[in-house]
Amino acid sequence: GQNIDQPTEMTATEGAIVQINCTYQTSGFNGLFWYQQHAGEAPTFLSYNVLDGLEEKGRFSSFLSRSKGYSYLLLKELQMKDSASYLCAVREVNRDDKIIFGKGTRLHILP
Amino acid sequence: DAGITQSPRHKVTETGTPVTLRCHQTENHRYMYWYRQDPGHGLRLIHYSYGVKDTDKGEVSDGYSVSRSKTEDFLLTLESATSSQTSVYFCAIFNYQPDKQRNYGYTFGSGTRLTVV
Repeated sequence: GQNIDQPTEMTATEGAIVQINCTYQTSGFNGLFWYQQHAGEAPTFLSYNVLDGLEEKGRFSSFLSRSKGYSYLLLKELQMKDSASYLCAVREVNRDDKIIFGKGTRLHILP
Repeated sequence: DAGITQSPRHKVTETGTPVTLRCHQTENHRYMYWYRQDPGHGLRLIHYSYGVKDTDKGEVSDGYSVSRSKTEDFLLTLESATSSQTSVYFCAIFNYQPDKQRNYGYTFGSGTRLTVV
């Protein structure tokens, strides 16, 4: 089976840095995604990690450790528009490209 | 832009009536998926398709059926709507671009907010 865990909610201050953790257990791992979802909107792609290490893209970075079943999304220089839910999702091997989603972390940004 | 649209965007229907949601894509993607999203549950897979007339069940398929008679269209039908099917429904395609070696995972449609009263 598969299980993806991430915190339900987090709060951070504008201009600060926040790290959202995700742990997973799957029967066959083939990559991890992070998506951002603003209230009332569809999820949108943020990052994809398939190898261990850090991927940096502007203010956002994503880290993966396959041996530990662990990932994190790092958001720097937080802006009010970063208030959203962040979804961790795992792609499984040979499963018709199905992606399993965590329940998401709702991030609140305080001024 | 993966060119994926859903219709309708909002719908209110009565318990026991059939409802069909439509997903349309313009870029010939093979795989298409229907998810529902509910508070406390996240995104859950209902059904998916891996080609014309090729479909399979996801984790919450009871009460739903799908059809894919053309590559571009993937229909989700609630055969007899119940209040437990009140949800936001998202269609998605798997967006892998081998020429750019970019894997974007899913690209989602804008969603359909369905209320069953």
